[in-house]
Amino acid sequence: AQSVTQLDSQVPVFEEAPVELRCNYSSSVSVYLFWYVQYPNQGLQLLLKYLSGSTLVKGINGFEAEFNKSQTSFHLRKPSVHISDTAEYFCAVSDKRDDKIIFGKGTRLHILP
Amino acid sequence: NAGVTQTPKFRVLKTGQSMTLLCAQDMNHEYMYWYRQDPGMGLRLIHYSVGEGTTAKGEVPDGYNVSRLKKQNFLLGLESAAPSQTSVYFCASSPAPRTEAFFGQGTRLTVV
Repeated sequence: AQSVTQLDSQVPVFEEAPVELRCNYSSSVSVYLFWYVQYPNQGLQLLLKYLSGSTLVKGINGFEAEFNKSQTSFHLRKPSVHISDTAEYFCAVSDKRDDKIIFGKGTRLHILP
Repeated sequence: NAGVTQTPKFRVLKTGQSMTLLCAQDMNHEYMYWYRQDPGMGLRLIHYSVGEGTTAKGEVPDGYNVSRLKKQNFLLGLESAAPSQTSVYFCASSPAPRTEAFFGQGTRLTVV
């Protein structure tokens, strides 16, 4: 079955500094990958997705992610973070074997002033 | 633009009581999902549905039942609530497999 590992449970970063949130997946077939963001006391919303094609995917709010098949990774990056980026970020995977969307445990991004 | 609506938003149950959580979507989506979110555990899939009249088990189905009698509604039932079911429950829907899922605002359930 497919699975997702988010390597960091919390990431502190100074405002205007770059950030990378790491995600690795496990699947034996073609995968579809997603990053979602959850602001405090809210539901989840999609940041970006990789379905096929270009391995560099751009999303909302200046985020981007790169699909690396050889390393089974889909890391999320932003060149300069803002206080408004404080949230929890979830990586998710789906594959062709079934219709499930499986989420990682999440990474909490703390922006330091 | 309602999207995905969950009812109720908060609930406190006593151990052994039963309840049903309602998820309604107005986007004509085929796929619907129920997740639970617990600290440090991320979102875990309870049950899902690929269309009206269908349901399937997810990662943590025990203690829950679901029904999808109408395309727009997906009900999650707890027959005999346990403290281990204290959690935040999220419903989501998507138009097709392996596409963006749209989430509700969540239901915070406490079982005492």
